[in-house]
Amino acid sequence: DADVTQTPRNRITKTGKRIMLECSQTKGHDRMYWYRQDPGLGLRLIYYSFDVKDINKGEISDGYSVSRQAQAKFSLSLESAIPNQTALYFCATSDLSDTQYFGPGTRLTVL
Amino acid sequence: GEDVEQSLFLSVREGDSSVINCTYTDSSSTYLYWYKQEPGAGLQLLTYIFSNMDMKQDQRLTVLLNKKDKHLSLRIADTQTGDSAIYFCAETNYGGSQGNLIFGKGTKLSVKP
Repeated sequence: DADVTQTPRNRITKTGKRIMLECSQTKGHDRMYWYRQDPGLGLRLIYYSFDVKDINKGEISDGYSVSRQAQAKFSLSLESAIPNQTALYFCATSDLSDTQYFGPGTRLTVL
Repeated sequence: GEDVEQSLFLSVREGDSSVINCTYTDSSSTYLYWYKQEPGAGLQLLTYIFSNMDMKQDQRLTVLLNKKDKHLSLRIADTQTGDSAIYFCAETNYGGSQGNLIFGKGTKLSVKP
């Protein structure tokens, strides 16, 4: 079984819709991250959380929000999706060693 | 601010060695990483090196670190078509808007038969 799972794996939605992407991990890590990947831009950090009560904005947090429901769960929401949020979204986890472990990704298309 | 630079593309023939290069800016980085992303998949940790090491070898992979020049390289010996992927270099960074790892934009390795 995968240690870091993401749901859904693919989603197509329309401009203005609210979308939630979910991430779960069985690694027992305190730290979780949300990134987006765009061609030619690499990975950009959206939000990260070092424990359940700690949420931090990343480079590109505008238009996104997160919720850390439990140590194992970290969800990303787009309150009102727009086309330039079309991207591949990755969740990752890490322990205190900083080594990050990634989920398989969610491909989001906003029409 | 901190930055990690990589060339975007590399093409080699099957059986040759591949060398992917990376430069970074944060001299206080504790670990430097190489991640591999195959088509349609997430990032997979390939290897890492502690900043007080010059070299690390793991089967076909050799990581070289030149701390003075802030240069990291990944050498893949006897490159196979299954090595075709995007390879990301990353350095540790503590706190701030970039979290605890800063990634390069990735080098796409194409292996020709």
